[in-house]
Amino acid sequence: DVKVTQSSRYLVKRTGEKVFLECVQDMDHENMFWYRQDPGLGLRLIYFSYDVKMKEKGDIPEGYSVSREKKERFSLILESASTNQTSMYLCASSLSGLTDTQYFGPGTRLTVL
Amino acid sequence: EDQVTQSPEALRLQEGESSSLNCSYTVSGLRGLFWYRQDPGKGPEFLFTLYSAGEEKEKERLKATLTKKESFLHITAPKPEDSATYLCAVGTGNQFYFGTGTSLTVIP
Repeated sequence: DVKVTQSSRYLVKRTGEKVFLECVQDMDHENMFWYRQDPGLGLRLIYFSYDVKMKEKGDIPEGYSVSREKKERFSLILESASTNQTSMYLCASSLSGLTDTQYFGPGTRLTVL
Repeated sequence: EDQVTQSPEALRLQEGESSSLNCSYTVSGLRGLFWYRQDPGKGPEFLFTLYSAGEEKEKERLKATLTKKESFLHITAPKPEDSATYLCAVGTGNQFYFGTGTSLTVIP
């Protein structure tokens, strides 16, 4: 079974703090993705990575950065958290092609006060 | 413009009352259509991938079908534990589009 894990289920941070969200997959997948999910807006792609040290912007990259130093690990960084970044953050991975089945982690509910 | 639309937004069924959820899409170059189940506060759980018109896949009470313009997720004799949000997504050559989901509630 594919397993994607995320470092925290719930996180509360203050405005201006630097926030790290970590994601690990155990299936040797090439691609990893970060989404945020908000009511009424669905899933929106923030960044994705198709290889170690490679990254591509998604639909809403502003205010975020990512890091992929190892194949199994993909980090999302909020350089200076703001209240409008309160959301559910979902990590996913897929085997190779960008349109292969994506497998999701359990999500991190981030609240920025 | 490429897009994926799911209907209805919400659906309430009595236990045992079969129904279908719809996912219509307008994209160029469909590579795959994906169905996921999402429980509140959790990540989407993969259900099915369909690759070509006419393809069907089944899992327990769920059956997914695909045409050139839409996909249906048929739920036969649903149980309360089938209550969840069902998401569909479409993959093209270089993009992955998600619908906003159908929230299904099955009443005992």
